[in-house]
Amino acid sequence: EDQVTQSPEALRLQEGESSSLNCSYTVSGLRGLFWYRQDPGKGPEFLFTLYSAGEEKEKERLKATLTKKESFLHITAPKPEDSATYLCAVQARSSNTGKLIFGQGTTLQVKP
Amino acid sequence: NAGVTQTPKFRVLKTGQSMTLLCAQDMNHEYMYWYRQDPGMGLRLIHYSVGEGTTAKGEVPDGYNVSRLKKQNFLLGLESAAPSQTSVYFCASKGTSGPYEQYFGPGTRLTVT
Repeated sequence: EDQVTQSPEALRLQEGESSSLNCSYTVSGLRGLFWYRQDPGKGPEFLFTLYSAGEEKEKERLKATLTKKESFLHITAPKPEDSATYLCAVQARSSNTGKLIFGQGTTLQVKP
Repeated sequence: NAGVTQTPKFRVLKTGQSMTLLCAQDMNHEYMYWYRQDPGMGLRLIHYSVGEGTTAKGEVPDGYNVSRLKKQNFLLGLESAAPSQTSVYFCASKGTSGPYEQYFGPGTRLTVT
């Protein structure tokens, strides 16, 4: 069964304290792995797509990496405005309908 | 472009009442999706559509119906609401069948008492 697990569930950081969020996945052939950011009371906002092991993508203080079993979202020198829930999702190679399987998310709080 | 919009933003229903949630997108996307989000459960797919006039069941379809009469609109209906349908509902759309991102609407918070 295709599955996505994110850890930790919650993470508290001091401003400037770098860390990583983990997304472990089990899927019958990966077509794409997606990272989203979700602020309270809002819809998920797209951040990155990763397609194959070894791929990396960056945006400001965020860098996403991908291996054959997991993805990491590295946050370098975070600021309070980086506080949000970060969602990971995968699309299986067998899916031609674009269906995504989501993890439960990691809620990040960055304190000033 | 407004992207993906959802109507209404909030709604309170009594058990047994019916309602329709409207999703509209202005990106000419073929694929549209309805999810529900509950604490500790993540986003779960209710129904989806791969084009105008087509719909299919997702992971948790029971108690919901959908229609895609126009390419830009995707409606989610609750015929007889139950307290278990209290949730936040998100609509999303995507351009093609490839591994491309879905774009989400702002959500509808539904409470069934």
